[in-house]
This record gives sequence, structure tokens and C-alpha cells, in this order.
Amino acid sequence: DGGITQSPKYLFRKEGQNVTLSCEQNLNHDAMYWYRQDPGQGLRLIYYSQIVNDFQKGDIAEGYSVSREKKESFPLTVTSAQKNPTAFYLCASSMATGGTDTQYFGPGTRLTVL
Amino acid sequence: QKEVEQNSGPLSVPEGAIASLNCTYSDRGSQSFFWYRQYSGKSPELIMFIYSNGDKEDGRFTAQLNKASQYVSLLIRDSQPSDSATYLCAVAYGGGADGLTFGKGTHLIIQP
Repeated sequence: DGGITQSPKYLFRKEGQNVTLSCEQNLNHDAMYWYRQDPGQGLRLIYYSQIVNDFQKGDIAEGYSVSREKKESFPLTVTSAQKNPTAFYLCASSMATGGTDTQYFGPGTRLTVL
Repeated sequence: QKEVEQNSGPLSVPEGAIASLNCTYSDRGSQSFFWYRQYSGKSPELIMFIYSNGDKEDGRFTAQLNKASQYVSLLIRDSQPSDSATYLCAVAYGGGADGLTFGKGTHLIIQP
């Protein structure tokens, strides 16, 4: 059963804590992405990775960190430096063929800061 | 600054009618255009993409692209209540490997 999984589905964080969101895919996709969505807003790109051991900042990378040690996994850490972390976090992946690459999304993690 | 603009709605359409969703973008270098559907509380799911000027049809959905006017639209024929959702327009420079720029979405309501 191929797809993208994200865990946990819901996450609660106290102020000052770092938390890590998991994203795993078994689609053999090269590229992976993290987006953030706030209520009534579109998605904004946080980080992306086109190949293992390499990643690039997106439009809103401040306060976040990522790693890409395996092709299948792209975890996102929300650090205490992120001032407004409450949001819906979406992971996506694509083939990165060099042509038009469709991105497919995981089910998302809803993060709430208490 | 790349911008993608959509009317937030809600857009209310009677069941069986054609729903027309519109999107404009600011970056003339944009090359690939995507439409996603998002139900409340769920993640976006791809409807279709387009990269050439003109129309592209897939079942009840037709995407239309006019690069000169920097305009992309999505038509939904024979609208069903299950089409009620938020529709997100996304734009990429190139094929999208560097990520997508999304609009805020249009909330579509299909009235039975």
C-alpha cells in the first residue's frame, strides 16, 4: 500500500519546546517537501529536498530544521525559535523527473502550542 | 515576490451546473500550474495540472491556461454536492521540483 504517512496526526507543544514531525514515503520519490497551512490560507513552503543529504530553504524556513538521511524520510523539527508554530503541517513528495512534477500530500499533522 | 491570487468565495453553484474557478499569478516565468481540492480538515489532493496554453480536459474537469494574461482556471461540469470543497491553485517555476506557490483557495459550495 504505497503512500505518504505523517505522524502524529495531532501534536501539542508547550512553549519553548522543540518537536519533530515525521514524514515517510514508500513511493520511491526523490523529492520531498514541507508546507505549512494556517486557517483560511494557502500552503507556504518551509523546506524541500531533491536528493538524500541535501535540502533547501523555502519561503518560511526560520524556526524550522530538517534532515534527509534516507530517501524515504524527511522529518521536520519545529524549534522554540518559531514564534507562531500553531498550524497544519503538510508533507509532500514527487518524482523530480525534471519535467512537470506532481506533488502528492500526506494526511498532515496539526500542531498546537499550549 | 511570487503571488497567486484566488477569490476566496464562497462560490455557490447549483447542482448540475458548471462551476468556474479562477486564478491569476504574478511571475511570468511560471511554467507549471496545478489544481488541488481540499476538504475541510484534510490534506490537498491533486485534480490536474497544465503547462501548455489552452484547455486540458479530464473527466468533468477542464483546466484552462492563458500565459499572456497570467490566468489559469478550472471548470467543473455537472457539479455534484461532493465537489463542495476548497480549491487551491498552485504555480511552479519550471516543473515544480523547487516547490509550489499556492493561492489561498476558493471555497466552492454545490447546492443540491
